[in-house]
Amino acid sequence: DIVMTQSPDSLAVSLGERATINCKSSQSVLNNSNNKNYLTWYQQKPGQPPKLLIYWASTRESGVPDRFSGSGSGTDFTLTISSLQAEDVAVYYCQQHYSPQTFGQGTKVEMK
Amino acid sequence: QVHLVQSGAEVKKPGSSVKVSCKASGGTFSIYAISWVRQAPGRGLEWMGGIIPVFGTANYAQRFQGRVTITTDESTSTAYMELSSLRSEDTAVYYCGRTRESYTYGYVNFWGQGTLVSVSS
Repeated sequence: DIVMTQSPDSLAVSLGERATINCKSSQSVLNNSNNKNYLTWYQQKPGQPPKLLIYWASTRESGVPDRFSGSGSGTDFTLTISSLQAEDVAVYYCQQHYSPQTFGQGTKVEMK
Repeated sequence: QVHLVQSGAEVKKPGSSVKVSCKASGGTFSIYAISWVRQAPGRGLEWMGGIIPVFGTANYAQRFQGRVTITTDESTSTAYMELSSLRSEDTAVYYCGRTRESYTYGYVNFWGQGTLVSVSS
Protein backbone atom coordinates (compact mmCIF):
# COMPACT_ATOMS: atom_id res chain seq x y z
CA ASP A 1 0.00 0.00 0.00
CA ILE A 2 1.02 3.58 -0.56
CA VAL A 3 2.06 5.19 2.73
CA MET A 4 1.00 8.80 3.29
CA THR A 5 3.04 10.80 5.78
CA GLN A 6 1.89 14.19 6.99
CA SER A 7 3.95 16.83 8.73
CA PRO A 8 3.75 18.23 11.26
CA ASP A 9 1.53 16.10 13.48
CA SER A 10 0.20 19.29 15.04
CA LEU A 11 0.65 23.02 14.75
CA ALA A 12 -0.55 26.09 16.59
CA VAL A 13 -1.19 29.19 14.52
CA SER A 14 -2.32 32.66 15.50
CA LEU A 15 -5.59 34.05 14.21
CA GLY A 16 -5.07 35.42 10.72
CA GLU A 17 -1.72 33.74 10.23
CA ARG A 18 -0.81 31.10 7.65
CA ALA A 19 -0.96 27.37 8.32
CA THR A 20 0.91 24.92 6.10
CA ILE A 21 0.49 21.16 6.17
CA ASN A 22 2.65 18.81 4.13
CA CYS A 23 1.80 15.38 2.82
CA LYS A 24 4.25 12.98 1.25
CA SER A 25 3.37 9.72 -0.49
CA SER A 26 5.68 6.71 -0.67
CA GLN A 27 5.13 6.56 -4.42
CA SER A 28 3.71 8.88 -7.02
CA VAL A 29 -0.05 9.36 -7.08
CA LEU A 30 0.05 11.16 -10.44
CA ASN A 31 -1.88 9.38 -13.16
CA ASN A 32 0.08 10.20 -16.30
CA SER A 33 -2.79 9.22 -18.58
CA ASN A 34 -4.99 12.09 -17.37
CA ASN A 35 -2.37 14.22 -15.60
CA LYS A 36 -4.35 14.15 -12.36
CA ASN A 37 -2.94 13.72 -8.89
CA TYR A 38 -5.17 11.33 -6.97
CA LEU A 39 -4.79 13.32 -3.76
CA THR A 40 -7.57 14.66 -1.56
CA TRP A 41 -7.63 16.84 1.54
CA TYR A 42 -10.30 16.51 4.23
CA GLN A 43 -11.08 18.51 7.34
CA GLN A 44 -12.56 16.78 10.38
CA LYS A 45 -13.99 18.34 13.52
CA PRO A 46 -14.78 16.35 16.68
CA GLY A 47 -17.83 14.15 16.41
CA GLN A 48 -18.28 14.83 12.70
CA PRO A 49 -17.48 12.89 9.54
CA PRO A 50 -14.71 14.26 7.33
CA LYS A 51 -15.48 17.21 5.10
CA LEU A 52 -14.11 17.41 1.57
CA LEU A 53 -11.86 20.44 1.06
CA ILE A 54 -9.60 19.83 -1.93
CA TYR A 55 -9.57 17.16 -4.63
CA TRP A 56 -7.23 16.39 -7.52
CA ALA A 57 -4.59 17.97 -5.24
CA SER A 58 -5.59 21.56 -6.00
CA THR A 59 -9.30 21.82 -6.87
CA ARG A 60 -11.26 23.49 -4.11
CA GLU A 61 -14.63 21.96 -3.31
CA SER A 62 -17.64 24.21 -3.88
CA GLY A 63 -18.40 26.27 -0.79
CA VAL A 64 -14.93 25.92 0.71
CA PRO A 65 -13.44 29.33 1.54
CA ASP A 66 -10.69 30.47 -0.78
CA ARG A 67 -8.25 30.75 2.10
CA PHE A 68 -7.82 26.99 1.65
CA SER A 69 -5.55 25.95 -1.19
CA GLY A 70 -3.80 22.78 -2.27
CA SER A 71 -0.64 22.34 -4.29
CA GLY A 72 1.94 19.76 -5.28
CA SER A 73 2.35 16.86 -7.65
CA GLY A 74 3.72 13.35 -7.73
CA THR A 75 4.72 12.58 -4.16
CA ASP A 76 4.75 15.94 -2.38
CA PHE A 77 1.68 17.96 -1.54
CA THR A 78 0.74 20.94 0.60
CA LEU A 79 -2.46 22.27 2.12
CA THR A 80 -2.31 25.96 2.97
CA ILE A 81 -4.72 27.97 5.06
CA SER A 82 -3.75 31.52 4.17
CA SER A 83 -5.37 33.27 7.12
CA LEU A 84 -6.46 31.00 9.95
CA GLN A 85 -9.93 31.54 11.33
CA ALA A 86 -11.34 30.15 14.55
CA GLU A 87 -13.60 27.75 12.64
CA ASP A 88 -10.56 26.19 10.94
CA VAL A 89 -9.43 24.51 14.16
CA ALA A 90 -9.68 20.85 13.20
CA VAL A 91 -7.71 17.81 12.10
CA TYR A 92 -6.69 17.71 8.45
CA TYR A 93 -6.07 14.53 6.48
CA CYS A 94 -4.59 13.87 3.09
CA GLN A 95 -5.71 10.77 1.23
CA GLN A 96 -4.54 9.08 -1.93
CA HIS A 97 -6.90 7.08 -4.12
CA TYR A 98 -4.34 6.01 -6.70
CA SER A 99 -3.77 2.50 -5.31
CA PRO A 100 -6.16 1.74 -3.66
CA GLN A 101 -6.75 4.31 -0.89
CA THR A 102 -4.84 5.38 2.20
CA PHE A 103 -4.97 8.32 4.56
CA GLY A 104 -2.21 10.28 6.19
CA GLN A 105 -2.09 10.16 9.98
CA GLY A 106 -3.68 13.60 10.30
CA THR A 107 -2.47 17.04 11.36
CA LYS A 108 -4.14 18.83 14.24
CA VAL A 109 -4.43 22.58 13.76
CA GLU A 110 -4.94 24.65 16.89
CA MET A 111 -5.19 28.31 17.68
CA LYS A 112 -2.15 29.89 19.32
CA GLN B 1 -29.04 16.08 -2.57
CA VAL B 2 -27.54 12.74 -1.56
CA HIS B 3 -28.18 11.55 1.98
CA LEU B 4 -26.54 8.54 3.64
CA VAL B 5 -28.10 7.09 6.79
CA GLN B 6 -26.23 4.43 8.74
CA SER B 7 -27.51 1.86 11.17
CA GLY B 8 -27.28 2.35 14.88
CA ALA B 9 -24.57 1.69 17.42
CA GLU B 10 -23.55 -1.89 18.14
CA VAL B 11 -21.96 -3.65 21.10
CA LYS B 12 -20.25 -6.91 20.21
CA LYS B 13 -18.26 -9.66 21.91
CA PRO B 14 -14.74 -10.51 20.77
CA GLY B 15 -14.78 -13.12 18.04
CA SER B 16 -18.21 -12.17 16.76
CA SER B 17 -19.21 -10.26 13.62
CA VAL B 18 -20.93 -6.97 12.97
CA LYS B 19 -22.84 -5.78 9.91
CA VAL B 20 -23.33 -2.05 9.42
CA SER B 21 -25.73 -0.67 6.83
CA CYS B 22 -25.66 2.57 4.86
CA LYS B 23 -28.86 3.58 3.07
CA ALA B 24 -28.59 6.15 0.31
CA SER B 25 -31.28 8.50 -0.89
CA GLY B 26 -31.18 11.09 -3.67
CA GLY B 27 -29.28 10.46 -6.88
CA THR B 28 -28.49 7.21 -8.64
CA PHE B 29 -27.15 4.53 -6.32
CA SER B 30 -25.56 1.93 -8.57
CA ILE B 31 -22.93 3.95 -10.40
CA TYR B 32 -21.18 5.68 -7.50
CA ALA B 33 -18.56 4.10 -5.27
CA ILE B 34 -19.35 3.58 -1.61
CA SER B 35 -16.31 3.52 0.66
CA TRP B 36 -16.06 2.43 4.28
CA VAL B 37 -13.72 4.32 6.59
CA ARG B 38 -13.23 3.76 10.29
CA GLN B 39 -11.85 5.83 13.13
CA ALA B 40 -10.78 4.34 16.45
CA PRO B 41 -11.16 6.59 19.50
CA GLY B 42 -8.63 9.41 19.32
CA ARG B 43 -7.09 7.98 16.16
CA GLY B 44 -7.00 8.84 12.47
CA LEU B 45 -9.06 7.76 9.50
CA GLU B 46 -8.55 4.33 8.01
CA TRP B 47 -9.91 3.23 4.63
CA MET B 48 -11.29 -0.29 4.79
CA GLY B 49 -12.64 -0.85 1.33
CA GLY B 50 -15.25 0.11 -1.21
CA ILE B 51 -17.60 -1.02 -3.92
CA ILE B 52 -19.22 0.35 -7.05
CA PRO B 53 -22.61 -1.37 -6.94
CA VAL B 54 -23.07 -1.81 -10.69
CA PHE B 55 -19.74 -3.65 -10.92
CA GLY B 56 -20.43 -5.75 -7.85
CA THR B 57 -16.83 -6.53 -6.86
CA ALA B 58 -15.47 -4.88 -3.76
CA ASN B 59 -11.91 -3.65 -3.18
CA TYR B 60 -10.40 -4.05 0.26
CA ALA B 61 -7.45 -2.60 2.11
CA GLN B 62 -4.83 -5.29 2.50
CA ARG B 63 -4.96 -5.31 6.28
CA PHE B 64 -8.68 -6.14 6.26
CA GLN B 65 -8.58 -8.76 3.52
CA GLY B 66 -10.37 -11.90 4.63
CA ARG B 67 -12.09 -10.19 7.54
CA VAL B 68 -14.28 -7.58 5.86
CA THR B 69 -17.05 -8.04 3.32
CA ILE B 70 -18.70 -5.12 1.54
CA THR B 71 -21.91 -5.69 -0.35
CA THR B 72 -24.83 -3.73 -1.73
CA ASP B 73 -28.54 -4.22 -2.29
CA GLU B 74 -29.46 -2.09 -5.28
CA SER B 75 -33.18 -2.68 -4.72
CA THR B 76 -32.99 -0.71 -1.46
CA SER B 77 -29.98 1.52 -2.30
CA THR B 78 -28.18 0.14 0.72
CA ALA B 79 -24.55 -0.77 1.22
CA TYR B 80 -23.30 -3.10 3.94
CA MET B 81 -20.00 -3.61 5.66
CA GLU B 82 -19.52 -6.81 7.64
CA LEU B 83 -16.45 -7.24 9.83
CA SER B 84 -15.74 -10.63 11.37
CA SER B 85 -13.49 -12.01 14.11
CA LEU B 86 -13.92 -8.82 16.07
CA ARG B 87 -11.33 -7.79 18.64
CA SER B 88 -11.12 -4.87 21.01
CA GLU B 89 -8.99 -2.92 18.53
CA ASP B 90 -11.98 -2.85 16.15
CA THR B 91 -13.81 -0.51 18.50
CA ALA B 92 -14.32 2.52 16.30
CA VAL B 93 -16.76 4.75 14.49
CA TYR B 94 -17.43 3.35 11.04
CA TYR B 95 -18.35 5.76 8.25
CA CYS B 96 -19.72 5.14 4.80
CA GLY B 97 -19.10 7.68 2.09
CA ARG B 98 -20.09 8.18 -1.56
CA THR B 99 -18.00 9.62 -4.33
CA ARG B 100 -19.15 12.45 -6.55
CA GLU B 101 -17.76 11.04 -9.77
CA SER B 102 -19.41 7.98 -11.21
CA TYR B 103 -17.83 4.64 -12.10
CA THR B 104 -14.65 5.39 -10.19
CA TYR B 105 -13.21 5.38 -6.71
CA GLY B 106 -12.04 8.73 -5.57
CA TYR B 107 -12.83 11.62 -3.34
CA VAL B 108 -15.89 11.38 -1.11
CA ASN B 109 -18.20 14.33 -0.77
CA PHE B 110 -21.17 12.64 0.92
CA TRP B 111 -20.81 10.94 4.27
CA GLY B 112 -23.01 8.97 6.61
CA GLN B 113 -23.32 10.03 10.22
CA GLY B 114 -21.11 7.23 11.48
CA THR B 115 -21.83 4.06 13.46
CA LEU B 116 -20.08 3.31 16.73
CA VAL B 117 -19.09 -0.33 17.09
CA SER B 118 -17.85 -1.28 20.54
CA VAL B 119 -16.12 -4.61 21.07
CA SER B 120 -15.91 -5.73 24.65
CA SER B 121 -16.17 -8.93 26.64
